[in-house]
Amino acid sequence: EAGVAQSPRYKIIEKRQSVAFWCNPISGHATLYWYQQILGQGPKLLIQFQNNGVVDDSQLPKDRFSAERLKGVDSTLKIQPAKLEDSAVYLCASSSQRGGEAFFGQGTRLTVV
Amino acid sequence: QQQVKQSPQSLIVQKGGISIINCAYENTAFDYFPWYQQFPGKGPALLIAIRPDVSEKKEGRFTISFNKSAKQFSLHIMDSQPGDSATYFCAAKDSNYQLIWGAGTKLIIKP
Repeated sequence: EAGVAQSPRYKIIEKRQSVAFWCNPISGHATLYWYQQILGQGPKLLIQFQNNGVVDDSQLPKDRFSAERLKGVDSTLKIQPAKLEDSAVYLCASSSQRGGEAFFGQGTRLTVV
Repeated sequence: QQQVKQSPQSLIVQKGGISIINCAYENTAFDYFPWYQQFPGKGPALLIAIRPDVSEKKEGRFTISFNKSAKQFSLHIMDSQPGDSATYFCAAKDSNYQLIWGAGTKLIIKP
């Protein structure tokens, strides 16, 4: 079974630029999560999708972050404009059902300079 | 009240020794307590998990001890091996199915 795929693995951008991350969850997984993991901290949930609907985006900085999951499969997370404090690893995870075991991708390491 | 406090921040254990990582929580509505293992450059992976109606769960060399009255739970790694060197996160799931994560413990097993 293929795992959660994320791209790119690394990204370096200047502040105020925009960036997008892509995630392809495990086939058949209805629930998809985007987490932000700052160095030395645990992951923080940014947004949770159930199929193609948002069930929790309470911690998503909506003035600069956006995410979509068209057709209930893969998802993109966008930051525009980026700030220095957005430097982090962005993890995508999926689970077969809400509350089920979450499987994580390798993440995208973003550096904002 | 939504926090999960994890300690220590880092831990060095000799090969063959016992590694112990502790977590504490306040929200009594949490109903699922997983531990995740994360290697550098990888995403976290579920290691072992427990529900609050059980006081202990063992899987191989990994054991979770759960103290509901004290609102604490811990991970014990017996016969620690260099391959166990990783960052470990405790977490707790709330009624909205959201995982609240600890800050992580960087474990180094010295050969």
